[in-house]
Amino acid sequence: QVQLQESGPGLVKPSETLSLTCTVSGASITTYFWSWIRQPPGKGLEWIGHVFHRGSTNYNPSLKSRVTISVDTSKNQFSLKLSSVTAADTAIYYCARVENLDWFDPWGQGTLVTVSS
Amino acid sequence: EIVMTQSPATLYVSPGERATLSCRTSQSVSSSLAWYQQKPGQAPRLLIYAASTRATGIPARFSGSGSGTEFTLTISSLQSEDFALYYCQQYNNWPRTFGQGTKVEIK
Repeated sequence: QVQLQESGPGLVKPSETLSLTCTVSGASITTYFWSWIRQPPGKGLEWIGHVFHRGSTNYNPSLKSRVTISVDTSKNQFSLKLSSVTAADTAIYYCARVENLDWFDPWGQGTLVTVSS
Repeated sequence: EIVMTQSPATLYVSPGERATLSCRTSQSVSSSLAWYQQKPGQAPRLLIYAASTRATGIPARFSGSGSGTEFTLTISSLQSEDFALYYCQQYNNWPRTFGQGTKVEIK
């Protein structure tokens, strides 16, 4: 079955760039859309954006100026970069497959990223 | 942006009883609504999509209904493993948005 695994630094300094990678197994990354979603501690879920293997992307307007999502088909991975981070960007970051550009299934286990000096 | 409002914030239910969770959207999303379950320390799991279609492997005690701006997730007979957080999500408009969640707790 399809499995996703996030990886990347758990601590990022304010004003720096958060970088995460999602490794996909059990499916080709060229077949679906792929998304990043985050969840601040104790709070709800926020869709960050999605990417297709040909490079097309769509981002949440609230983050659009700071977000880049890209795909590496050779490694079956996709990545998130979020620039100029602040403490408000502290969250669990999930990667997920997007079904029909609609709902998210399955999800990775999530990785906590803390923004702090 | 479509605002999702879930109620109640916390629902206290006894095992074996029925739980009814509500999700309202700030404008019509037709039937473009999904429900997820999240347990502590775990990622959300898809339960329902298209407002009423159960995802693969989801037990029949979970059912979804509604269209337009009002939706309901019903758990017909709560099992111990069902005590968790539940989120709704709309996919009719961009950006995709989620409700703030309903926590189902043991009464």
